[in-house]
Amino acid sequence: DVKVTQSSRYLVKRTGEKVFLECVQDMDHENMFWYRQDPGLGLRLIYFSYDVKMKEKGDIPEGYSVSREKKERFSLILESASTNQTSMYLCASSLSRGHWEQYFGPGTRLTVT
Amino acid sequence: AQSVTQLDSHVSVSEGTPVLLRCNYSSSYSPSLFWYVQHPNKGLQLLLKYTSAATLVKGINGFEAEFKKSETSFHLTKPSAHMSDAAEYFCVVSDSASGTYKYIFGTGTRLKVLA
Repeated sequence: DVKVTQSSRYLVKRTGEKVFLECVQDMDHENMFWYRQDPGLGLRLIYFSYDVKMKEKGDIPEGYSVSREKKERFSLILESASTNQTSMYLCASSLSRGHWEQYFGPGTRLTVT
Repeated sequence: AQSVTQLDSHVSVSEGTPVLLRCNYSSSYSPSLFWYVQHPNKGLQLLLKYTSAATLVKGINGFEAEFKKSETSFHLTKPSAHMSDAAEYFCVVSDSASGTYKYIFGTGTRLKVLA
């Protein structure tokens, strides 16, 4: 079974802090994705990556950056956390460009105070 | 642009009665469509997927969905609801137009199952 793990289930940070959310997948998937989930809005794509050191902006990249130094790990960075970034963050991976199915981690609920 | 609309934000059914969760999509290309389920405090789990093979797709836990091109719909059904089906369900269309393999999510339908 594919396993996607996220470093924290719950996180509380202060406004202005730099925040790192880590995601690791164990199935040698090429593609990795970061979403945020908000009530009534579904999931919205923040950033994605098709390969190591490669990244592309999703639909709502403002205020975020990412890092992919190793194939199995994809990090989401909030450079200066703000209260409107309080949300559930979900990481996902998929095998390769020709494969649509994404596998999701359990999510990190981030609260910025 | 591709999009997906889930027509109901909340659905309530009694245990043992049929479930219908509605989804309409918009796509200029032959789409790939998915239904995911999210139980409380859990990640998303794939229920089923349509990728241009059979139009009636069977998934896990007794769910199925029918791709209807003429109606641009991909509704999710189950003949008999179980208490464990209470969750949030997301309809997803793949962004085949851009070739990026991105997902476009609906806003979700929360299913409540009454005893």
